[in-house]
Amino acid sequence: DAMVIQNPRYQVTQFGKPVTLSCSQTLNHNVMYWYQQKSSQAPKLLFHYYDKDFNNEADTPDNFQSRRPNTSFCFLDIRSPGLGDAAMYLCATSRDHGGHYNEQFFGPGTRLTVL
Amino acid sequence: AQSVTQPDIHITVSEGASLELRCNYSYGATPYLFWYVQSPGQGLQLLLKYFSGDTLVQGIKGFEAEFKRSQSSFNLRKPSVHWSDAAEYFCAVGDRVTGGGNKLTFGTGTQLKVEL
Repeated sequence: DAMVIQNPRYQVTQFGKPVTLSCSQTLNHNVMYWYQQKSSQAPKLLFHYYDKDFNNEADTPDNFQSRRPNTSFCFLDIRSPGLGDAAMYLCATSRDHGGHYNEQFFGPGTRLTVL
Repeated sequence: AQSVTQPDIHITVSEGASLELRCNYSYGATPYLFWYVQSPGQGLQLLLKYFSGDTLVQGIKGFEAEFKRSQSSFNLRKPSVHWSDAAEYFCAVGDRVTGGGNKLTFGTGTQLKVEL
């Protein structure tokens, strides 16, 4: 089945230690998104890639970065995690070639704990 | 900027009872509207969506939602709730963004508890 995969499902890191979260997709979608969802809150878009073009949300901290080496993979890098970065990180994809709006498909998420 | 309001943080219903979860949105044009469900520790699963056309949309798991432009609402309904429906439900509005792609703005969610 075509899907969005996130690894690992659970990640524990130490305060200030860089961490990378991974997302891959078999849907061959050209757009990939990263959302942050803190406990009991709504998911919030951090940034997205439209093909190879990176689009950052205005209020996303500089501590968060992303890489997309190819269509299938996208990484979220947190350079110096703080306690406030503990959250569920959701990856999503969509097919977009202009014109019609297309829905996003979500992965299962990675739960990040910062000690 | 668009926004979504889910006025009910928690709702408890008995199994077999009907359910309605409220959602109000603020958006300048015809909105793209969604309902997602999230079980504990899991990602988001799409229940249904409204893009255009018939204002009553059917989704998975027996859910439906009705788009009412005059009330800026997109309430989710189910005639008979099952214990497995206990989860958190998010309403969202979608918007195209500069540079391509789209952005979902979510409400704060409604936690549904089902009593047996």
